[in-house]
Amino acid sequence: GAGVSQSPSNKVTEKGKDVELRCDPISGHTALYWYRQSLGQGLEFLIYFQGNSAPDKSGLPSDRFSAERTGGSVSTLTIQRTQQEDSAVYLCASSGLAYEQYFGPGTRLTVT
Amino acid sequence: GEDVEQSLFLSVREGDSSVINCTYTDSSSTYLYWYKQEPGAGLQLLTYIFSNMDMKQDQRLTVLLNKKDKHLSLRIADTQTGDSAIYFCAENRNSNYQLIWGAGTKLIIKP
Repeated sequence: GAGVSQSPSNKVTEKGKDVELRCDPISGHTALYWYRQSLGQGLEFLIYFQGNSAPDKSGLPSDRFSAERTGGSVSTLTIQRTQQEDSAVYLCASSGLAYEQYFGPGTRLTVT
Repeated sequence: GEDVEQSLFLSVREGDSSVINCTYTDSSSTYLYWYKQEPGAGLQLLTYIFSNMDMKQDQRLTVLLNKKDKHLSLRIADTQTGDSAIYFCAENRNSNYQLIWGAGTKLIIKP
């Protein structure tokens, strides 16, 4: 079956612009996660959705970051007024029955 | 400090076995996982082990779990150049959907 997909794969934007990153999880997976990975670094948790529960937003670095998940499937991560420090790879994952996470290929965001 | 710890680098010769280690602190772990990340790619789930198991083998990969010492290892037999990557271990606690991640071990293969 299809894995987790993300779009766009690369995004270059000017400082101050807003960007939207999209994630399509594996069909039937109820849990969806967003992470950020800076160059050569580990994973930084951003936000987590589980079913119809309120999302865990504890990892969002500032109020410029927000995410939503429509219909329990597709998710969009929005970064407003982008800054150069937002440049990173943004990874999305969804969970299987053993809580194992399946990752998409990521969106590489470059803020100039 | 981090709840899940890994060495940052491991260097092995091609054809040898690689052993990547991970330690964790919480005894309520339900599952433990190994992921592989190649340059420019997302994370690929390699294998996972349930906490009531001691060992799991899958082709060239062997996972060992020592619950007493809270130690997890991944052994890669006959290491090849395609095994060059960063390997992350992760822990699931109390069947919580969130995982606790190590910082990753970069595996370097010498010819």
